[in-house]
Amino acid sequence: DQQVKQNSPSLSVQEGRISILNCDYTNSMFDYFLWYKKYPAEGPTFLISISSIKDKNEDGRFTVFLNKSAKHLSLHIVPSQPGDSAVYFCAARAGYSGAGSYQLTFGKGTKLSVIP
Amino acid sequence: NAGVMQNPRHLVRRRGQEARLRCSPMKGHSHVYWYRQLPEEGLKFMVYLQKENIIDESGMPKERFSAEFPKEGPSILRIQQVVRGDSAAYFCASSDDRGRTEAFFGQGTRLTVV
Repeated sequence: DQQVKQNSPSLSVQEGRISILNCDYTNSMFDYFLWYKKYPAEGPTFLISISSIKDKNEDGRFTVFLNKSAKHLSLHIVPSQPGDSAVYFCAARAGYSGAGSYQLTFGKGTKLSVIP
Repeated sequence: NAGVMQNPRHLVRRRGQEARLRCSPMKGHSHVYWYRQLPEEGLKFMVYLQKENIIDESGMPKERFSAEFPKEGPSILRIQQVVRGDSAAYFCASSDDRGRTEAFFGQGTRLTVV
């Protein structure tokens, strides 16, 4: 029972173009969403996050969009660079206090390849 | 300005042996989380600890797995009598409050059971 789904296992994009990574969730209690980037043999590195009270958050080349009604979020990377090649994980956290409010629920990841 | 430190990076154990994975949180962080990543899967929450306290172990298998975060020293994830299915990457993360900030992850320990 996957509560966070990343349906595209992989994505290839030309350098300089836009990369769009998608994520869907099913748990309506999730109110905070994060994207992590992971290189092989390393731990996940926090990239950007968004609270459910917003529909967009931007940080440099990275923008996350949240569509609460569709339970969908996406990460846009513009322009894409070869160094962006990595696995990107979408994660979500429930907002209620108590057990589970600190747990991150991860998707399976999307492997992004940026072609020079 | 060290980040979350995990050791060893790689650990090979024979079936039936014990595995001990260590995690030192970032300086100033008193909250530690352990996650496990099986091949081709996302990270799955295992346990959340504060100093000397287990806050939530709902993601831990009921048997053979235990975790501690003593007053002094690193957090330890202990797996007794390892089986092949325990082979995975184990990641530790730390934060400076009750998970309301983005947790910072260590580089992980890759456990291989042969």
